[in-house]
Amino acid sequence: DIQMTQSPSTLSASVGDRVTITCRASQSISGWLAWYQQKPGKAPKLLIYKASSLESGVPSRFSGSGSGSEFTLTISSLQPDDFATYYCQQYNSNLLTFGGGTKLEIK
Amino acid sequence: EVQLVEFGGVVVQPGGSLRLSCVASGFTFADYSMHWVRQAPGKGLEWVSFITWDGGSTHHADSVKGRFTVSRDNNKNSLYLQMNSLRAEDTALYYCAKDAAAFPYYYYYMDVWGQGTTVTVSS
Repeated sequence: DIQMTQSPSTLSASVGDRVTITCRASQSISGWLAWYQQKPGKAPKLLIYKASSLESGVPSRFSGSGSGSEFTLTISSLQPDDFATYYCQQYNSNLLTFGGGTKLEIK
Repeated sequence: EVQLVEFGGVVVQPGGSLRLSCVASGFTFADYSMHWVRQAPGKGLEWVSFITWDGGSTHHADSVKGRFTVSRDNNKNSLYLQMNSLRAEDTALYYCAKDAAAFPYYYYYMDVWGQGTTVTVSS
């Protein structure tokens, strides 16, 4: 199986900050990567697909980049609604795997 | 409104069986492949199963292979997960989720999620 490693596991930041979350795959997954946001007690929400394509309705302060085995999710200017846990997911293989998550906390 | 509602989660003893259901509305269910994803208490997301729009192809995570079976009934707009030989480590919130692509494609990522149903495996 393809292992997905996210870093950091926890990130403290302030409203207005620019933050970046990294996701690394154990082998090349081309650009077959999605990012999700999950708030406590809620289902995950799709943010980004195909590494850099923004899902409809998602604010443009979210962006994704990368290819091969290293990817990033960037939030250009943190808003109060953005404090949540973020997961990457690879879909290069039909055995799908998620990263361990990055919890974004208010500093 | 596109909606997925899961039900069937209960407390079950180790070694027991359970069938989860997910009812879809607001979209043409038969046109979309579907997934089950679970989340153990306080843990991250784990993909469990996938089924194509017609049920003709399925995939399961290694952790559940041979014990869980995904199926669907397009006439009832329903997705199912038959769970056998349950273990304590299967305790989780189980989500059903819609694949992002419509027939004849599937993308293997999820654009709509239900709110989940909780399975607890305990004696």
